Amino acid sequence: GDSVTQMEGPVTLSEEAFLTINCTYTATGYPSLFWYVQYPGEGLQLLLKATKADDKGSNKGFEATYRKETTSFHLEKGSVQVSDSAVYFCARHNSGGSNYKLTFGKGTLLTVNP
Amino acid sequence: AAGVIQSPRHLIKEKRETATLKCYPIPRHDTVYWYQQGPGQDPQFLISFYEKMQSDKGSIPDRFSAQQFSDYHSELNMSSLELGDSALYFCASSPYQGTEAFFGQGTRLTVV
Repeated sequence: GDSVTQMEGPVTLSEEAFLTINCTYTATGYPSLFWYVQYPGEGLQLLLKATKADDKGSNKGFEATYRKETTSFHLEKGSVQVSDSAVYFCARHNSGGSNYKLTFGKGTLLTVNP
Repeated sequence: AAGVIQSPRHLIKEKRETATLKCYPIPRHDTVYWYQQGPGQDPQFLISFYEKMQSDKGSIPDRFSAQQFSDYHSELNMSSLELGDSALYFCASSPYQGTEAFFGQGTRLTVV
């Protein structure tokens, strides 16, 4: 079935460090790919998206590129801030067919220390 | 901009009671999803609706039911509540199927 695999956390970084959170997906259909962020006690917020191969999603300094050849959608940020501390979820959504749901990875807890 | 509205935000129920969660999608969004998130867990898909018809079903217990009404709001009905039903329940909406989903703030259900 459709699935998303994320690197397990938690990830702890110092402010201004480089961030990478790995995400791979099962190569069935033509999925759209997303990163969602969840701050403590809040709902999930869409961070960025990519809908086809080689698309790059970006927002708030975060980037992720849809790599069909490696079935990956790794999240990166060049310089993290304390305010980036949250749980990050990679997700896929099928395009077409009748399977209309988002499938999430297990989530990665990021803590950024001053 | 308008967001997905969920009510109530918090709900405490006793075992074997019934709960109803409501979701008001973003205007002109035709797809609604329900997810359950346990502590420290990823969101688990329960059910989705497209144009007021059920479009997909996930790991939703038979004790739960949901529907989408003519004004596109949706309700998740949960009966014979169990302690294990304690979780955050999220509703999300999409402008059309296969696109990004926008989530509400969630309803925290506690079953005691």
